[in-house]
Amino acid sequence: GQSLEQPSEVTAVEGAIVQINCTYQTSGFYGLSWYQQHDGGAPTFLSYNALDGLEETGRFSSFLSRSDSYGYLLLQELQMKDSASYFCAARYSSASKIIFGSGTRLSIRP
Amino acid sequence: DVKVTQSSRYLVKRTGEKVFLECVQDMDHENMFWYRQDPGLGLRLIYFSYDVKMKEKGDIPEGYSVSREKKERFSLILESASTNQTSMYLCASSFSGGSSYNEQFFGPGTRLTVL
Repeated sequence: GQSLEQPSEVTAVEGAIVQINCTYQTSGFYGLSWYQQHDGGAPTFLSYNALDGLEETGRFSSFLSRSDSYGYLLLQELQMKDSASYFCAARYSSASKIIFGSGTRLSIRP
Repeated sequence: DVKVTQSSRYLVKRTGEKVFLECVQDMDHENMFWYRQDPGLGLRLIYFSYDVKMKEKGDIPEGYSVSREKKERFSLILESASTNQTSMYLCASSFSGGSSYNEQFFGPGTRLTVL
């Protein structure tokens, strides 16, 4: 079946840079999305990559490498408010559905 | 401001009860989704709908059914609630066109407890 792998937890320091990786299964893959979810809140969309390369949106960037079946979310100039869970989500052609990873909990230390 | 609303924030039901979870979006989106979220498991797709009266099974449809009679409303039904259906239920919607499909807007969630 289709599944995504991402680390369960990452810890970083305020002001630093952190990268959250996501690997996915290739068959039928369309593109990779990233979502942020604060505790008690709803997931909110951050980015989508259909093509190889880096997409930048302010302090957040997302990268995709189709040849490696791999993507990552890069967060720069970390702020305490970035403490949240981050989910990668892959779209597959077989059923036009989106599969979510189990999420990475990002903790930021002062 | 785009909005997805869910009928209840918290719900407590008894085993065997029929449960209705309602979701309404005001963005004229074609696609609507129901997920459940459990610790360590991420979001798992239960059902989705790409048009009125159309539905497709997700990864974990057993024990659930859905209804979409109007474009803005997507209902999740637990025919006979069981304790293993205690979870956070999230509704989402998106446009159909191109990359917009991948930008899902989520409701605040319904935390369902089945006793």
